[in-house]
Amino acid sequence: KQEVTQIPAALSVPEGENLVLNCSFTDSAIYNLQWFRQDPGKGLTSLLLIQSSQREQTSGRLNASLDKSSGRSTLYIAASQPGDSATYLCAGTDKLIFGTGTRLQVFP
Amino acid sequence: GAGVSQTPSNKVTEKGKYVELRCDPISGHTALYWYRQSLGQGPEFLIYFQGTGAADDSGLPNDRFFAVRPEGSVSTLKIQRTERGDSAVYLCASSSTGQGAHQPQHFGDGTRLSIL
Repeated sequence: KQEVTQIPAALSVPEGENLVLNCSFTDSAIYNLQWFRQDPGKGLTSLLLIQSSQREQTSGRLNASLDKSSGRSTLYIAASQPGDSATYLCAGTDKLIFGTGTRLQVFP
Repeated sequence: GAGVSQTPSNKVTEKGKYVELRCDPISGHTALYWYRQSLGQGPEFLIYFQGTGAADDSGLPNDRFFAVRPEGSVSTLKIQRTERGDSAVYLCASSSTGQGAHQPQHFGDGTRLSIL
């Protein structure tokens, strides 16, 4: 059974820092991996989708990598801003199995 | 807007009652998913529809939970004889292709269900 773990559980940083959020999964036979952000009281917003044949995806200040052999994905946020404050979730396999998320706070 | 719409946004009811939660997916999306999210946890898969049929209902916790999508668009999640443990945010998502495919899932804002 696929299990997804996210580290750290919470992160608080000053504005401008570059960040790395980690996601690990137990079953390397994932089909694809998706990163989301969730704002309080809201649903999930898709950030990046990495297909199983890809190694990374980039969108603006965000870069996500996928290493199936080690069962890991990393979300890199460059030059963090207060508006990046949210919970970040990763999900893998063909049926989205979510981690518990990383709660990020970026303070001015 | 053109996003996934869920109604109601909040539902409070008494233990033992029946509830229906509605999801309007993005127009043209054939795949529809229901998830349940408890406080401090990631969403937990409940059921997946491809068109009108439930392609995977392995996440439904018990037979009190049922979902339909009769015309392949709007879906209703139905919970009978509600229990306090059913309290959670119920999220709906849709995508243009099915499970295992390469299109992202788009989520609604959820229905916050509270069982008193």
